[in-house]
Amino acid sequence: GAVVSQHPSRVICKSGTSVKIECRSLDFQATTMFWYRQFPKKSLMLMATSNEGSKATYEQGVEKDKFLINHASLTLSTLTVTSAHPEDSSFYICSAEDGNIQYFGAGTRLSVL
Amino acid sequence: LAKTTQPISMDSYEGQEVNITCSHNNIATNDYITWYQQFPSQGPRFIIQGYKTKVTNEVASLFIPADRKSSTLSLPRVSLSDTAVYYCLVGGTSGGSYIPTFGRGTSLIVHP
Repeated sequence: GAVVSQHPSRVICKSGTSVKIECRSLDFQATTMFWYRQFPKKSLMLMATSNEGSKATYEQGVEKDKFLINHASLTLSTLTVTSAHPEDSSFYICSAEDGNIQYFGAGTRLSVL
Repeated sequence: LAKTTQPISMDSYEGQEVNITCSHNNIATNDYITWYQQFPSQGPRFIIQGYKTKVTNEVASLFIPADRKSSTLSLPRVSLSDTAVYYCLVGGTSGGSYIPTFGRGTSLIVHP
């Protein structure tokens, strides 16, 4: 199957700093990628739809100025958590679609101190 | 958006067959049914996808009745390593925008 690479797998940062997470489709092109957030023992919650060459579409309740998404190429989308605070600590996962199948990255564990 | 309903949890033993059913009563004509497996602190992994009837691959089978309002993921002879959360997703890009939305999933625990 197709491969989606997500980096970094784990990041620890200080409160007030910004963190960038990359999501790459390695062997296919993806005009659309998705970003999720997952709390312990909970399901994946869709945060936003990342569209290549255009603005991301955010789900209700997700602050677009807080979670900046850039999808500059057909193989790369980035999520930047700006001015991170402890409540932003979570597991972030991206996905990209190849055909009708979503392929997911391994996830990024963000810990904000 | 097609909403999915699955059992919250299931228990099984090594070597048994496990069947997990997902209800999706308002599935659209163009929607596919896709199942994923997720281990703790990992991204979901694709298991199998189908549109109607039966699909089988090297790890699982997917049974879809004629009305497509439900689907059953069948895992033959499970092992301890199959302990995970299983999600069914309904949707597809054909015919319009597709927003993959996860339900609560089924937590499968396989016992020795």
